[in-house]
Amino acid sequence: GENVEQHPSTLSVQEGDSAVIKCTYSDSASNYFPWYKQELGKRPQLIIDIRSNVGEKKDQRIAVTLNKTAKHFSLHITETQPEDSAVYFCAASHGSSNTGKLIFGQGTTLQVKP
Amino acid sequence: NAGVTQTPKFRILKIGQSMTLQCTQDMNHNYMYWYRQDPGMGLKLIYYSVGAGITDKGEVPNGYNVSRSTTEDFPLRLELAAPSQTSVYFCASSLATPGNTIYFGEGSWLTVV
Repeated sequence: GENVEQHPSTLSVQEGDSAVIKCTYSDSASNYFPWYKQELGKRPQLIIDIRSNVGEKKDQRIAVTLNKTAKHFSLHITETQPEDSAVYFCAASHGSSNTGKLIFGQGTTLQVKP
Repeated sequence: NAGVTQTPKFRILKIGQSMTLQCTQDMNHNYMYWYRQDPGMGLKLIYYSVGAGITDKGEVPNGYNVSRSTTEDFPLRLELAAPSQTSVYFCASSLATPGNTIYFGEGSWLTVV
């Protein structure tokens, strides 16, 4: 089955710096890659996603890139702010299985220091 | 719309007890999921369902059972609770098309003592 590895497990940056989180996946049939943000004690919330027919997607300060050949995708946050501090999860979905189920990475705790 | 609603929000169980976590969604989503999240860890898929009457195992199904008698409801049953089942449980749902956004409930905090 699908396996998703996420790095780093913790990331500390200074406010205004950029943050990059990387994920690799094992199943070449996966074709949907969302990123979720989870604040302490809250539910995961979708922040951006990318499908396998696209190499990059951007939404204001966040962007995601996908390299299907290497089977990895990354989250980029620019001009980080203290409110970006949270746990971020990547995930992959096996499109051909027609179930929509997501397999998640282990999470990255991002701390943005003022 | 309430979205995905889970109950209870908090529960303490004794070892060996059983309980059902309730989940309902009002978005007419065919796909529903149960995930568990251990402290400091990612989300692991327990069971999922692609429609009423259809369920299947995820990554960590042992110790759990589910049913899906209606589109709206997807309860998760814990039989003979064990300390290893102490976790936060999230129910989620999505439209019946792969690649559609998965919406999570607020979570149910379960402690087994």
